[in-house]
Amino acid sequence: DTAVSQTPKYLVTQMGNDKSIKCEQNLGHDTMYWYKQDSKKFLKIMFSYNNKELIINETVPNRFSPKSPDKAHLNLHINSLELGDSAVYFCASSQEDRMNTEAFFGQGTRLTVV
Amino acid sequence: QKEVEQDPGPLSVPEGAIVSLNCTYSNSAFQYFMWYRQYSRKGPELLMYTYSSGNKEDGRFTAQVDKSSKYISLFIRDSQPSDSATYLCAMSAWDNYGQNFVFGPGTRLSVLP
Repeated sequence: DTAVSQTPKYLVTQMGNDKSIKCEQNLGHDTMYWYKQDSKKFLKIMFSYNNKELIINETVPNRFSPKSPDKAHLNLHINSLELGDSAVYFCASSQEDRMNTEAFFGQGTRLTVV
Repeated sequence: QKEVEQDPGPLSVPEGAIVSLNCTYSNSAFQYFMWYRQYSRKGPELLMYTYSSGNKEDGRFTAQVDKSSKYISLFIRDSQPSDSATYLCAMSAWDNYGQNFVFGPGTRLSVLP
């Protein structure tokens, strides 16, 4: 039973398009994240969100916007896609509880902008 | 100075070798330390986590944290070809906004049969 699931797994799209990546977690966690993995495999946080607050990494272009319809979902919407947006995007979740530290990751969405 | 430094490798070892993977960090506020393993085209999976300084062992894996030196290590004994993956260290600290995770760039490990 998948804990954190992302769809789609692969996404190929043209420059200028708008696309969304969906993420769902069934762990009952209250905090979800989006990470971008760059070409050197470095994971960079883009957003963290719980039912109280959205924390945005200020380096993320405002073409990227997270949308959370409920506690178990945090979707990533990207407007006007650019070539440089090509990367693997990971969703993750954790419980905002000092006794629990792990963030559980989805399998990643490989986005290719052509 | 980057918040977390990790040798990206690649690191190639023969099967059965002891592997040592390391990270250094600069933020003394970090309290939780994790190692993730990432196979090609997969999401990172949590391998081990430790709180504060000390050692933790799980099968062939041992994680060490030395907060005084701001240095963490992951040791893999009797390495197997199936251990070939990228290993990311991660650490976290709590601030006013919640838990803040920072990842190292990952070390690519190849265990040769």
